[in-house]
Amino acid sequence: GAVVSQHPSWVICKSGTSVKIECRSLDFQATTMFWYRQFPKQSLMLMATSNEGSKATYEQGVEKDKFLINHASLTLSTLTVTSAHPEDSSFYICSAAGRRLNEQFFGPGTRLTVL
Amino acid sequence: AQSVTQPDIHITVSEGASLELRCNYSYGATPYLFWYVQSPGQGLQLLLKYFSGDTLVQGIKGFEAEFKRSQSSFNLRKPSVHWSDAAEYFCAVGNTGTASKLTFGTGTRLQVTL
Repeated sequence: GAVVSQHPSWVICKSGTSVKIECRSLDFQATTMFWYRQFPKQSLMLMATSNEGSKATYEQGVEKDKFLINHASLTLSTLTVTSAHPEDSSFYICSAAGRRLNEQFFGPGTRLTVL
Repeated sequence: AQSVTQPDIHITVSEGASLELRCNYSYGATPYLFWYVQSPGQGLQLLLKYFSGDTLVQGIKGFEAEFKRSQSSFNLRKPSVHWSDAAEYFCAVGNTGTASKLTFGTGTRLQVTL
């Protein structure tokens, strides 16, 4: 299957700072990328969907000004958590899909801890 | 709105025993259904998916799932579990006939005893 990477795999930051997480499709062109948030022992919750070159579509309840998503190329999407607070601590997972959109390929996730 | 229910939070089976993980969905049209496995430190890996056709779907690692429209179920099965199958398993339903906007169940953690 296709490979999706995330960087960093874990990050610790101080409250009030911003953190950028990268999601890359390594061996295919990802026309659509998805960002999920997973709380401990819970399911994945879709945060937003981004198409290359377009603004992201956010799910209800997700603050677009807090979670900035950029999908500037067919292989890279970034999620920036702005002015992070302890309640933003979570496991963030990205996935990518090609034009046929019949399968999402998931990255290994990024664990964010905000102190 | 679509939803997925995985009734079993945690299941323990002995190595070599059979396994069935339950998944019930709610979706207005013909659902696109997926089973993923998540191991620590690794991304979600697709085990199998159902779009249409034969309701018994074969996947990787010896897993299979059966789509039962009358029961709104898509249960995952394996005839003989291996210790390496211990992981978190997620059932998901896709929107509008694609893999977009996946709605996940809460997951079932599988523990395998030797």
